[in-house]
Amino acid sequence: QSVLTQPPSVSAAPGQRVTISCSGSSSNIGNNYVSWYQQLPGTAPKVLIYDNNKRPSGIPDRFSGSKSGTSATLGITGLQTGDEADYYCGTWDSSLSAGVFGGGTKLTVL
Amino acid sequence: EVQLMESGGGLVQPGGSLRLSCAASGFTFTNYWMSWVRQAPGKGLEWVANIKQDGSKKYYLDSVKGRFTISRDNAENSLYLQMNILQTEDTAVYYCASVGARQLYESWGQGTLVTVSS
Repeated sequence: QSVLTQPPSVSAAPGQRVTISCSGSSSNIGNNYVSWYQQLPGTAPKVLIYDNNKRPSGIPDRFSGSKSGTSATLGITGLQTGDEADYYCGTWDSSLSAGVFGGGTKLTVL
Repeated sequence: EVQLMESGGGLVQPGGSLRLSCAASGFTFTNYWMSWVRQAPGKGLEWVANIKQDGSKKYYLDSVKGRFTISRDNAENSLYLQMNILQTEDTAVYYCASVGARQLYESWGQGTLVTVSS
């Protein structure tokens, strides 16, 4: 059971928009920054979003992040088949003194 | 180019020990906290441990406290994870990652597989 809660799967057609939610509590998302990671099949995770809503260089602006209270959201517009991957939110939990991740969301581009 | 290369994984019996290593290059190792993150087969990411730049602070996942020890050698740009009293639930790919500000896992290695089985 992950500390952060994500939907197990989402799907949408190419070109459409999808959002992935990440729900936590005041000890993690509520008082810390959230980052998002993309894991393509058989590869290591890579950073998509950091500090709630910033994109590293090289990440297209089709990817966006937001945070409100104890929840965060990853948005992906103009879906491409290459976006099919697992997506994870992550942050620090100040009560646990531990890093925490969501359980991951599998994105299918139909 | 940032590179993190893990090694030391393999098959070990329950109750056994293993030491993972992570060789870092392409960035200033001493500027970063470092982490180990694992992923059981078909499962999600699970944070395992963090270590501060000078090794003075360490944090662990509750289920590995007392069994795993994270350490680093800044002269060798290397990160380690000593794993003792291994259990079948520890079976996973173990990634090392550099940790930027605000617990951002900036760069990741390719992972090393640890299998605990009799």
